[in-house]
Amino acid sequence: AQTVTQSQPEMSVQEAETVTLSCTYDTSENNYYLFWYKQPPSRQMILVIRQEAYKQQNATENRFSVNFQKAAKSFSLKISDSQLGDTAMYFCAFEANFGNEKLTFGTGTRLTIIP
Amino acid sequence: GAGVSQSPRYKVTKRGQDVALRCDPISGHVSLYWYRQALGQGPEFLTYFNYEAQQDKSGLPNDRFSAERPEGSISTLTIQRTEQRDSAMYRCASSQTGASTDTQYFGPGTRLTVL
Repeated sequence: AQTVTQSQPEMSVQEAETVTLSCTYDTSENNYYLFWYKQPPSRQMILVIRQEAYKQQNATENRFSVNFQKAAKSFSLKISDSQLGDTAMYFCAFEANFGNEKLTFGTGTRLTIIP
Repeated sequence: GAGVSQSPRYKVTKRGQDVALRCDPISGHVSLYWYRQALGQGPEFLTYFNYEAQQDKSGLPNDRFSAERPEGSISTLTIQRTEQRDSAMYRCASSQTGASTDTQYFGPGTRLTVL
């Protein structure tokens, strides 16, 4: 079974600063996908970024980028030039690539951007 | 439709009552997933469908929980004889083909409160 661990329950950062959220996971699979989802106060679940394990290049989406360390089973999210709208719960998630595409989520990090 | 929709958005029921939660996936999406999210936790997988076939129900906590998707589109998650511990946010997601390369798009959720 896969597990996902987010060791930072809460974080806060000043607007315009850079913040990094940590995520580690445990799996015996070699092919899989990793995701960061954002859950704002509206409680929607919004995909922020995804990473395929077979790709060595770290994924980027505008101000969001990841640091994927496959050997260390680490998948951190960096938010650059943070904005007030980034205030949300952030969930790291794992999906195996063997025919059952369920997501396994971490417990989340509550991020607050301070004006 | 434009996105995944769920109804009702909020449901308050008394212990022992049955409830039915509805999910309407994005039009044409093959796969549909149900997750449950307790307060302060990440979503946990319950079950998923490809078309009308239930592929995996390993996450359903007990036999009071059941789900169906009879025509391969709308799905209903039914909880019989509800208990207070069933109180949670129930989320539905859909993906285009069900392949691991596809993104799961989440609905707004149904917040269930069992008194």
